[in-house]
Amino acid sequence: DVKVTQSSRYLVKRTGEKVFLECVQDMDHENMFWYRQDPGLGLRLIYFSYDVKMKEKGDIPEGYSVSREKKERFSLILESASTNQTSMYLCASSLLLADEQFFGPGTRLTVL
Amino acid sequence: AQSVTQLDSQVPVFEEAPVELRCNYSSSVSVYLFWYVQYPNQGLQLLLKYLSGSTLVKGINGFEAEFNKSQTSFHLRKPSVHISDTAEYFCAVSSDSNYQLIWGAGTKLIIKP
Repeated sequence: DVKVTQSSRYLVKRTGEKVFLECVQDMDHENMFWYRQDPGLGLRLIYFSYDVKMKEKGDIPEGYSVSREKKERFSLILESASTNQTSMYLCASSLLLADEQFFGPGTRLTVL
Repeated sequence: AQSVTQLDSQVPVFEEAPVELRCNYSSSVSVYLFWYVQYPNQGLQLLLKYLSGSTLVKGINGFEAEFNKSQTSFHLRKPSVHISDTAEYFCAVSSDSNYQLIWGAGTKLIIKP
């Protein structure tokens, strides 16, 4: 079974803090994704990566950055957390870009 | 640009009744269609997908969906729902011209006992 794990299920941070969300997949997938999920808005793509050290902006990259130093790990960084970044963050991976994505359990981030 | 519309934000249905969750997408020459389910406090899990071939796709947990190219729809159906089907369901589409998965806003399935 494909497994995608995320470093925290729940996280509480203060405004202005630098926040790291980690994601690890164990299926040797080329592609990894970071989404945020807000009620009524579905999933919005923040960034994705199609190879080590390669990244592409998604629909809402502002205020976020990513890092992919190893194939299995994709990190999302909030440089200076703000209250409007309070959300559920979902990581996913896929073998092919257009095909099925496998999701982690999500990290619910609250920024106070 | 590709878009996905899930026409209902919530669908209440009695247990053991049939259900249909609607999904429409904007036109594209060649599309790939997906339905995912998200149980409370969990990540998303693939229910079924259409890549090519038969337009009727069967998935897990007794769900099925039909790809209708002329109506640009991919509605999800189950003949008899159970309380365990309580979840949010997401439709998504990608295509040869845009590999990014485009997501609908989700439909919450509410099962009434």
